[in-house]
Amino acid sequence: GQQLNQSPQSMFIQEGEDVSMNCTSSSIFNTWLWYKQDPGEGPVLLIALYKAGELTSNGRLTAQFGITRKDSFLNISASIPSDVGIYFCAGQLMRNFVFGPGTRLSVLP
Amino acid sequence: DGGITQSPKYLFRKEGQNVTLSCEQNLNHDAMYWYRQDPGQGLRLIYYSQIVNDFQKGDIAEGYSVSREKKESFPLTVTSAQKNPTAFYLCASSGEMNTEAFFGQGTRLTVV
Repeated sequence: GQQLNQSPQSMFIQEGEDVSMNCTSSSIFNTWLWYKQDPGEGPVLLIALYKAGELTSNGRLTAQFGITRKDSFLNISASIPSDVGIYFCAGQLMRNFVFGPGTRLSVLP
Repeated sequence: DGGITQSPKYLFRKEGQNVTLSCEQNLNHDAMYWYRQDPGQGLRLIYYSQIVNDFQKGDIAEGYSVSREKKESFPLTVTSAQKNPTAFYLCASSGEMNTEAFFGQGTRLTVV
């Protein structure tokens, strides 16, 4: 099946720092989605992006849909301990979704 | 509350047994999906259904079966043919435009 590349694979940051992660693909997608997953729980949708170039914010989170429709990034500003978790990107095309392998975020106090 | 409910949260299976994981949604979504998640990996698609009484195989359907008799329900059976069934299973649904997927809380299946 299709694959998304997500980087970095993991990151350790100090509380209060900003975080940036990105997702790339060889395929074009109609929608880009970003999810957060806590241990033992299902992913929760954070941000949805619907058109190329779109920049969307949700509180301290900002995400952008790349112009080529093959990439997206997620920024988290002023990280706090509850930001810890795995962040997944997903691309939507036709009637299906393709997920990245995730970025594991650890926040040090 | 509208949402997707998976049950049970934890499930233990003896080798050679079939087990069925439940997924129910009250979001009035047409599309439903089953994914498998292994440690440190992304989500892999097992089966999906775009409409009642119809479903298609995903990337790793071998050893699994599904049914879609009602719009609200999409149960997944892990059969004895699945050689490595220990994993975290996630059910998702998507609305009319299929632009966003919403997930249940997952079922962790362990073979003992």
